[in-house]
Amino acid sequence: QQQVKQSPQSLIVQKGGISIINCAYENTAFDYFPWYQQFPGKGPALLIAIRPDVSEKKEGRFTISFNKSAKQFSLHIMDSQPGDSATYFCAARSGNAGNMLTFGGGTRLMVKP
Amino acid sequence: DVKVTQSSRYLVKRTGEKVFLECVQDMDHENMFWYRQDPGLGLRLIYFSYDVKMKEKGDIPEGYSVSREKKERFSLILESASTNQTSMYLCASRPTGTGNTEAFFGQGTRLTVV
Repeated sequence: QQQVKQSPQSLIVQKGGISIINCAYENTAFDYFPWYQQFPGKGPALLIAIRPDVSEKKEGRFTISFNKSAKQFSLHIMDSQPGDSATYFCAARSGNAGNMLTFGGGTRLMVKP
Repeated sequence: DVKVTQSSRYLVKRTGEKVFLECVQDMDHENMFWYRQDPGLGLRLIYFSYDVKMKEKGDIPEGYSVSREKKERFSLILESASTNQTSMYLCASRPTGTGNTEAFFGQGTRLTVV
């Protein structure tokens, strides 16, 4: 039973296009929503994160959109580049559960040149 | 530069073997975690430790145990390896605190049980 549902499982985007990955959650105790990026042969690394008191956070070409009422959040990668090809994980943290992170199932992104 | 180091990148073990996966962090973090990563299932928490000699079960602890004798080292033990434990194993560490503290991951150990 996944508490954080992520879609799609895989995504192919042309260079310069917009990549969109969506996540949904049920637990209203979640209070912090990070995205992790994982390149082949590497461990995941924090990419960008948002708290539920804001609806959007932007860092360079990466934007998180957050919809608290719908319990959904998404990652948008603008002007996608081949170097963005990686697996992306959304996650959610619950302060009630010892600040544990619950991860989504992951999205394998391929950006074609 | 923060670092979480897992002792092996690749391991091949036989069914029934006892397997040790080692993880060392150099950031003096209190919290350490073991996850397994499987396609479509994301990262699932096996065990975590918030202090030396302390351990807590995660979501999928069956078939695993852990050891944390020193703050910087967290070991995952497969008492009797089975083929369904073939997976990528990731170790992570994080400092204590309710702030937005980042988890740092090792490079992973790909374990194959034959």
